[in-house]
Amino acid sequence: EVQLVESGGGLVQPGRSLRLSCTASGFTFGDYAMSWVRQAPGKGLEWVGFIRSKAYGGTTEYAASVKGRFTISRDDSKSIAYLQMNSLKTEDTAVYYCTRDYIGYCSGGSCYPTSHDYWGQGTLVTVSS
Amino acid sequence: QSALTQPASVSGSPGQSITISCTGTSSDVGGYNYVSWYQQHPGKAPKLMIYEVSNRPSGVSNRFSGSKSGNTASLTISGLQAEDEADYYCSSYTSSSTLEVFGGGTKLTVL
Repeated sequence: EVQLVESGGGLVQPGRSLRLSCTASGFTFGDYAMSWVRQAPGKGLEWVGFIRSKAYGGTTEYAASVKGRFTISRDDSKSIAYLQMNSLKTEDTAVYYCTRDYIGYCSGGSCYPTSHDYWGQGTLVTVSS
Repeated sequence: QSALTQPASVSGSPGQSITISCTGTSSDVGGYNYVSWYQQHPGKAPKLMIYEVSNRPSGVSNRFSGSKSGNTASLTISGLQAEDEADYYCSSYTSSSTLEVFGGGTKLTVL
């Protein structure tokens, strides 16, 4: 059974940092791209970013709203994906979900996920003074 | 404001069919067959219901179907059941730097 478990959320002051973890089980973690998707309280879903599998270069892409502040990494030996969040803003307050991705589109030498087939239960990040 | 436009709410009675629309542009919905639909019950994580416009993952009921015409994708739920009451989100790959855009979500009420 595929399982994704996020951890590391909590209350943090604006301008500070936080690192989320996503521990995976039930599948060969290294074979999959992984994304982070967030949901502000009472709002819709927003893609944050993703990391490709090593087979696709292990590179990352980010939404404009977090680019330069957030960094996604992975440790395939531990089956964990990370989201390092720096310079946090109040508008980053949300439930953060990690997802396993299906790579469905390749163009110009890069491949991209086109759906999220499994989601973790989410972890709440509250940015407030 | 979300990149994809969905109705805020739809409703139907048990046994009926409903359709939720998702309107984008030629840079996302209209340009690629990479529309997905997610179901989210209150306090729970989203669940993939449809991918690549009309494909159902294993285990998803065949009462759920997807289609697309031009810049608008649609999710149809037939034989409505009480357990279908949830929020539904569409998403699409986009050629913009955002890479993925979501709709604002549609609350389905089963009367």
